[in-house]
Amino acid sequence: DAGITQSPRHKVTETGTPVTLRCHQTENHRYMYWYRQDPGHGLRLIHYSYGVKDTDKGEVSDGYSVSRSKTEDFLLTLESATSSQTSVYFCAISGGLAGSTDTQYFGPGTRLTVL
Amino acid sequence: DAKTTQPPSMDCAEGRAANLPCNHSTISGNEYVYWYRQIHSQGPQYIIHGLKNNETNEMASLIITEDRKSSTLILPHATLRDTAVYYCIVRSLNNAGNMLTFGGGTRLMVKP
Repeated sequence: DAGITQSPRHKVTETGTPVTLRCHQTENHRYMYWYRQDPGHGLRLIHYSYGVKDTDKGEVSDGYSVSRSKTEDFLLTLESATSSQTSVYFCAISGGLAGSTDTQYFGPGTRLTVL
Repeated sequence: DAKTTQPPSMDCAEGRAANLPCNHSTISGNEYVYWYRQIHSQGPQYIIHGLKNNETNEMASLIITEDRKSSTLILPHATLRDTAVYYCIVRSLNNAGNMLTFGGGTRLMVKP
């Protein structure tokens, strides 16, 4: 399995508080992704990164920010958590090599509950 | 990326082969077929992918029809731990940065 860890694995927080989720990889992959998974919606891309300090928005980026200061770490921040951000968050990584099929590998997930 | 169609659920007896079909009739020439699975509460797990030739790895085999409009994922000796939702996804080359689109998938139940 790809070396991807997510922390925390579970978190309960209150509306309006800031929350930061961490994704750490040991594969030296160029691309990192944050998805959220909700019943009836499948996985939806929030943000992704294609290198240190290089990030871009995904399908559902409103209310989220990201940062990548090192190759191995990709942080997802909810500046002011809302109940609609209650979800399971998955990090993924891929090599991003030109001409490849760029397989994405997923972390174990973080279950976030916003009360 | 092309859309896929999978049956919503299937059962399989433990120890038997599980054959999971997927239709992707609008697939184009540079698109690969990927399979992932998601065991309850875990992250999606990559299984296998292929372009037009059949592929095999330690987890499964992938059979793609000659016209590439459908494929079958084969788990040769299903175990209870193979109970999961299996997703068939079609993706093009050089798709880094693009999201994976997971459809409804097939919920495989392996029974003793």
